[in-house]
Amino acid sequence: EAEVAQSPRYKITEKSQAVAFWCDPISGHATLYWYRQILGQGPELLVQFQDESVVDDSQLPKDRFSAERLKGVDSTLKIQPAELGDSAMYLCASSLRTGGLQELFFGEGSRLTVL
Amino acid sequence: AQSVTQLDSHVSVSEGTPVLLRCNYSSSYSPSLFWYVQHPNKGLQLLLKYTSAATLVKGINGFEAEFKKSETSFHLTKPSAHMSDAAEYFCVVSEWDGGATNKLIFGTGTLLAVQP
Repeated sequence: EAEVAQSPRYKITEKSQAVAFWCDPISGHATLYWYRQILGQGPELLVQFQDESVVDDSQLPKDRFSAERLKGVDSTLKIQPAELGDSAMYLCASSLRTGGLQELFFGEGSRLTVL
Repeated sequence: AQSVTQLDSHVSVSEGTPVLLRCNYSSSYSPSLFWYVQHPNKGLQLLLKYTSAATLVKGINGFEAEFKKSETSFHLTKPSAHMSDAAEYFCVVSEWDGGATNKLIFGTGTLLAVQP
């Protein structure tokens, strides 16, 4: 069964360092999402891509976060510099296309701890 | 803006007894609603979705949910809990503008514990 791949699964870093997360969506899925899930809360959308284009990054803290999906396939989310409050699970998801009833398929997430 | 409220942060049931996880939504128009489940150290998985074709929606693993517009509710139920149902459950509403942007708004989650 096709899955969304994410790496690394776990990352521990010190504040002010740079971190990067990688996501490979299900083959053929045009839409890719990055969500952040703080412990005890539901996931919140950071950025949505349609192919290689960003269609929603309204909740992305652009002073320190960046995301790209250069060839419309895999994607990288970067944080520089990391802050204590960035400790969270970063979830990548993909869907076949955009639309209100599309099922999102989630990866297992990348858990970030900032010391 | 759309939102969902999960009324219980923790629910504990005994194996073989019914499960009820409560969710209320707020939407200015006919919403798209979902339940997702997250097992420990796993990604989220879709349980079921409301498509407006039927108010009673059946999902995987014996779960179902009923859309009640008058009560703005979308509660998740299962007749008989199994140990493998222990997980966190998220009620979700889709904020879709009809175009390219599709934002899922997640509730804060309900942690289901199943006692033997």
